[in-house]
Amino acid sequence: GAGVSQSPSNKVTEKGKDVELRCDPISGHTALYWYRQSLGQGLEFLIYFQGNSAPDKSGLPSDRFSAERTGGSVSTLTIQRTQQEDSAVYLCASSQERVETQYFGPGTRLLVL
Amino acid sequence: KQEVTQIPAALSVPEGENLVLNCSFTDSAIYNLQWFRQDPGKGLTSLLLIQSSQREQTSGRLNASLDKSSGRSTLYIAASQPGDSATYLCAVLYSGGGADGLTFGKGTHLIIQP
Repeated sequence: GAGVSQSPSNKVTEKGKDVELRCDPISGHTALYWYRQSLGQGLEFLIYFQGNSAPDKSGLPSDRFSAERTGGSVSTLTIQRTQQEDSAVYLCASSQERVETQYFGPGTRLLVL
Repeated sequence: KQEVTQIPAALSVPEGENLVLNCSFTDSAIYNLQWFRQDPGKGLTSLLLIQSSQREQTSGRLNASLDKSSGRSTLYIAASQPGDSATYLCAVLYSGGGADGLTFGKGTHLIIQP
C-alpha cells in the first residue's frame, strides 16, 4: 500500500515569507508526527497528533510554527515569517496507534535564503 | 533530560563481518524503542520495533535487543553486505512525561567495505 507522502519535496523561500508543508499519512493511521532534521542537530520532535488533536504543542520551536490535522488524515505544518535557521528537512511520520511502528515520509527540504 | 546516545558515531568494516551497534537511553520509562536506517538524502526506513515488554526482535540478518533496566539496546547485523552501508538511528518513545514523539540518537554511520 501507499506509504507516507509529503509535499513539496523541496522548497526554497526568502526570509520573511510564509511556507506550508503537507503530509499525507498512511490510510487508517491515527497518530501523526512532525520532526525536523537539521545539519549537525540530529532529529528533533516537533508535534504529535492523535486524530485531529495535538495534546502538547511545546515541541514547536517558536510561535511562528503551527500545525493542524483535518479529517484524521492530512496534516499541514505552517512556518510564518521564515528565518534562515528554519532551513532543515521536515519529516512526517504516522503510526496505526501511538505505541506502534512509526513510518516516515521522504521529507520536505526547506531552504530559507 | 531524556536522551538517547549511540556508540560508535562511525564504523567501517569489511564485508561479511558481524557487527553490533549500541544505543543507550537515560530513563527506563519507555513505551518502545525503534531502529531505523537512513540512506543519504532519503527519509527513514523502519528496521525493528521493540515494545517495552519485549527483550528482542529479529528480522532477517538483523537482531535487536532491549535491556530496560540498564537503559541499553543493541542492533546486531549478521554477515554484513555493502548494501547495509547507511546511518543507523536508534529512537525511544518515552512514557514518563517527556516528549510525545520519538527521541533520537545522533546515529551510527556504517560503511561496509566490499
